[in-house]
Amino acid sequence: GESVGLHLPTLSVQEGDNSIINCAYSNSASDYFIWYKQESGKGPQFIIDIRSNMDKRQGQRVTVLLNKTVKHLSLQIAATQPGDSAVYFCAEKEGPGAGNMLTFGGGTRLMVKP
Amino acid sequence: EAQVTQNPRYLITVTGKKLTVTCSQNMNHEYMSWYRQDPGLGLRQIYYSMNVEVTDKGDVPEGYKVSRKEKRNFPLILESPSPNQTSLYFCASKAGSTDTQYFGPGTRLTVL
Repeated sequence: GESVGLHLPTLSVQEGDNSIINCAYSNSASDYFIWYKQESGKGPQFIIDIRSNMDKRQGQRVTVLLNKTVKHLSLQIAATQPGDSAVYFCAEKEGPGAGNMLTFGGGTRLMVKP
Repeated sequence: EAQVTQNPRYLITVTGKKLTVTCSQNMNHEYMSWYRQDPGLGLRQIYYSMNVEVTDKGDVPEGYKVSRKEKRNFPLILESPSPNQTSLYFCASKAGSTDTQYFGPGTRLTVL
């Protein structure tokens, strides 16, 4: 498969444990945030998103938390499974009028130990 | 199946030899975009298109061209590739009214 990155921060968790992946953003004008999962050899896959008028959003086994005060975004994965092993990217979009460009973070590699 | 496709998936070429990477989506999306992904630099946007015949530069447009003659296709053109364009390229698309972009499988380009 394709190598996504050679110098990514890595989070190693035991299967069944909960995972928390963190992301700091810098643009206080960003109004939309999104998490992507990228497995080896594949393109980024949408996981969950959140708008700036919310501070929490839940999906199936995943929760995104947004703290606008400290410009921090986190992705929580419950009961982590081996299939969750991948690189996770956060991305932000600046508010209305700034176009549709997503700015991506550098990514975090999640490794799930059986 | 709704998807974004890219061709070729892998390409090795030499400096200066023009190449085109195709991108096609079957979701009738207005917005399409090209990114490159490099170790330590994450995903960076090259060009994007809001609709047919409308294209704009992203963060790293130098050395690339695009065209959007049809809604479903958004080819990336490298007129004179150089080794610093060796990278993993992703095409993405989204509906104009939404923010969620959907990505293709990627094209690994090596320029010797």
